[in-house]
Amino acid sequence: AQSVTQPDIHITVSEGASLELRCNYSYGATPYLFWYVQSPGQGLQLLLKYFSGDTLVQGIKGFEAEFKRSQSSFNLRKPSVHWSDAAEYFCAASKTSYDKVIFGPGTSLSVIP
Amino acid sequence: GAVVSQHPSWVICKSGTSVKIECRSLDFQATTMFWYRQFPKQSLMLMATSNEGSKATYEQGVEKDKFLINHASLTLSTLTVTSAHPEDSSFYICSARDSGGRSSYNEQFFGPGTRLTVL
Repeated sequence: AQSVTQPDIHITVSEGASLELRCNYSYGATPYLFWYVQSPGQGLQLLLKYFSGDTLVQGIKGFEAEFKRSQSSFNLRKPSVHWSDAAEYFCAASKTSYDKVIFGPGTSLSVIP
Repeated sequence: GAVVSQHPSWVICKSGTSVKIECRSLDFQATTMFWYRQFPKQSLMLMATSNEGSKATYEQGVEKDKFLINHASLTLSTLTVTSAHPEDSSFYICSARDSGGRSSYNEQFFGPGTRLTVL
């Protein structure tokens, strides 16, 4: 069955430190991949997306993600975290450009001063 | 651009009553909208796919008679929770695909969500 997993339920990092959020997917072929961020009181916002091409994808707010086919992973990274990055992060995938999107369980990010 | 609104943002109702939640795409047309349910500290679970002018497609396990979806125009979809009970209390989120082309790679634009509490 198609699925998206995020092994880390909660991560705490210090402001200014680097960040990596893990995401693994289980699909027959390379799916469309997404990272969304959800802040309290706000809707989900797309950080970046991938389907093909360069495996290192640049997104908004200084985030990037790397697609690794061999590991079925699409990890999100940021070199220096800001306090405003504290939020819930969801990795998601869809089989095609029009298929339903399946969300991972999410990773809650806390940022300490 | 690509703004999706939901109304109301929160609602409290008595058990047995019905509640309607609106989802609007404010600056684009959306032939397809989605309704999700999110429990505290959990992920989004797709409830149904709403297509303008046709019947919604419900995910397995979602009661279509309980969660009525209407997508009567290219900018509005509604979710009605009929005869609500406390177990229906949840955070309901809608999203929409931009029919005009901004939804490349299957990108969806999300509303801020509606918190439903059934007493």
